Amino acid sequence: GEDVEQSLFLSVREGDSSVINCTYTDSSSTYLYWYKQEPGAGLQLLTYIFSNMDMKQDQRLTVLLNKKDKHLSLRIADTQTGDSAIYFCAEVRPGYQKVTFGTGTKLQVIP
Amino acid sequence: DTAVSQTPKYLVTQMGNDKSIKCEQNLGHDTMYWYKQDSKKFLKIMFSYNNKELIINETVPNRFSPKSPDKAHLNLHINSLELGDSAVYFCASSQEGNNSPLHFGNGTRLTVT
Repeated sequence: GEDVEQSLFLSVREGDSSVINCTYTDSSSTYLYWYKQEPGAGLQLLTYIFSNMDMKQDQRLTVLLNKKDKHLSLRIADTQTGDSAIYFCAEVRPGYQKVTFGTGTKLQVIP
Repeated sequence: DTAVSQTPKYLVTQMGNDKSIKCEQNLGHDTMYWYKQDSKKFLKIMFSYNNKELIINETVPNRFSPKSPDKAHLNLHINSLELGDSAVYFCASSQEGNNSPLHFGNGTRLTVT
């Protein structure tokens, strides 16, 4: 299908880890991105992973990629209230730079 | 020193009117985009422009027309506004190449009454 799927909502307690999942559609996608959208703002790039990688770590963020299942996840360690936002995964398909966004996961961090 | 700026931030207008949303980027990027985000937060690409050439044009009504006076600007003009056009519209830009992420503006919330 055309859609990049994500769970719509995730609630975690402050200090716990958050795991946001994404299922993308195109096995030939070259890059996969994670964006964060805070209320009333645009999308901010958090991190990305190239399709020939399995994992990428960047401070509190860990991205895991399972190409066989076309599954991408974002783990946020020691989740803070400032992490509350909507998180979008996005895939980049080769050839003409088309970026397709997931449906977005709203992360709520409970103090 | 905002990288991608769009104006206005809010736009309230009546059905049937024609309106424009402006976008400017000072990043020197080659490609600019317009995205529409609906009430469920789904993001759909509308247009992209590279060197004044339309690259992607999804199934968008022809009431919507992008206009690019130069590489740093991509404005969105909408004719005969309809209730269903109410959404948040985001401008974005990127450098050419597959590993170039999108940089977004802060969005324009359009409300059609």
